[in-house]
Amino acid sequence: DAGVTQSPTHLIKTRGQQVTLRCSPKSGHDTVSWYQQALGQGPQFIFQYYEEEERQRGNFPDRFSGHQFPNYSSELNVNALLLGDSALYLCASRSPTAGVVGHTEAFFGQGTRLTVV
Amino acid sequence: DAKTTQPTSMDCAEGRAANLPCNHSTISGNEYVYWYRQIHSQGPQYIIHGLKNNETNEMASLIITEDRKSSTLILPHATLRDTAVYYCIAGNKLVFGAGTILRVKS
Repeated sequence: DAGVTQSPTHLIKTRGQQVTLRCSPKSGHDTVSWYQQALGQGPQFIFQYYEEEERQRGNFPDRFSGHQFPNYSSELNVNALLLGDSALYLCASRSPTAGVVGHTEAFFGQGTRLTVV
Repeated sequence: DAKTTQPTSMDCAEGRAANLPCNHSTISGNEYVYWYRQIHSQGPQYIIHGLKNNETNEMASLIITEDRKSSTLILPHATLRDTAVYYCIAGNKLVFGAGTILRVKS
């Protein structure tokens, strides 16, 4: 089992550009969440996808959007990048019993390190 | 998710038990308590979770008070590799706080 995989591992972008990050959930998992982790801080919840729809969202602007595909993989898109978007972006997946309420454990990928210059 | 309060940092001697406390006084009845840890530059690693009863697995034990307003994560025999940031989360959305930096020293 490959676990949660994210790509790319590192990325450098220029202010104003757009970026797409990718996540493949752990086998058998159908719920995917995205987090942003700035240096020295805990992960901040961006949003959660289940059945190809955004189900919950944290306090992030509309520049942050996502998508979930029929195979449960997911993308995070960030438009009009700001220097403050530089962070580690983490993807987490949960098992089918999670749904939108979910009380099963989430498994995290190793993240994508985004640097905006 | 309920707000959690954890000490900023703790030290533990190698081979001794590490007891990490967490307060979650506003937790509601159907919210679970989760513990994760994060070693530098890696993704968070699941440790354990529970609702009311104490839980134990191969990594740790979770003790939840009867009123569910606080809990303690116990690493029975801490090793140097247990040095990490430990996050206590009360709720099913997995909202992370600042966590506790645990330093295991030889």
